[in-house]
Amino acid sequence: EIVLTQSPATLSVSPGERATLSCRATQSISNNLAWYQQKPGQAPRLLIYGASTRATGIPARFSGSGSGTEFTLTISSLQSEDSAVYYCQQYDNWPPWTFGQGTKVEIK
Amino acid sequence: QVQVVQSGAEVKKPGASVKVSCKTSGYTFTDYYIHWLRQAPGQGLEWMGSINPRGGDTKYLQKFQGRVTVTRDTSISTAYMELSSLRSDDTATYFCARGGLNIWETYFKNWGLGTLVTVS
Repeated sequence: EIVLTQSPATLSVSPGERATLSCRATQSISNNLAWYQQKPGQAPRLLIYGASTRATGIPARFSGSGSGTEFTLTISSLQSEDSAVYYCQQYDNWPPWTFGQGTKVEIK
Repeated sequence: QVQVVQSGAEVKKPGASVKVSCKTSGYTFTDYYIHWLRQAPGQGLEWMGSINPRGGDTKYLQKFQGRVTVTRDTSISTAYMELSSLRSDDTATYFCARGGLNIWETYFKNWGLGTLVTVS
């Protein structure tokens, strides 16, 4: 089973600043990685798939990069509505499909 | 547009079973896998199992083997997840989500709102 480790656990960023979230896999997963945003009481929302492709309707301030075992989600200019927990998910080696433990992004 | 509608919240006693439904619309039900995931209070996401609606074949997370059963009714485009021998640590929100056209591209674009199952 592939384990995904996200860092940091919590990120506090001022509005307009850049937020950088990391996801590391225990073995290479090529570019088979997705990112999700989840707000309290809501289902997760798909942001990125294929490590770097934005899902339909996702603002351009969200970008993904990386391949192999190291991946990054960047929010270029943080907005108040971006306060949420962000999860990475691998779909290279399955089942099971696995998720990171999440990074909570707070607005400073 | 794709819609995924789950059944309502449940309260169950330890040792009981729960069956959650997931009704889909807006696409051909048999073309996409349906997956079940859960999220304990304040915790992360855990994939539990999936079904290929076309053939009915299933996959389960090993820790749930023997306790979880995923089924489907193609006539009403609905999938079901039944979890038996409930324990207090099964208290969680259970989500169904549509997978991709190809199982090797399984990320989750369409989600239900979640079904809170409380075991107490």
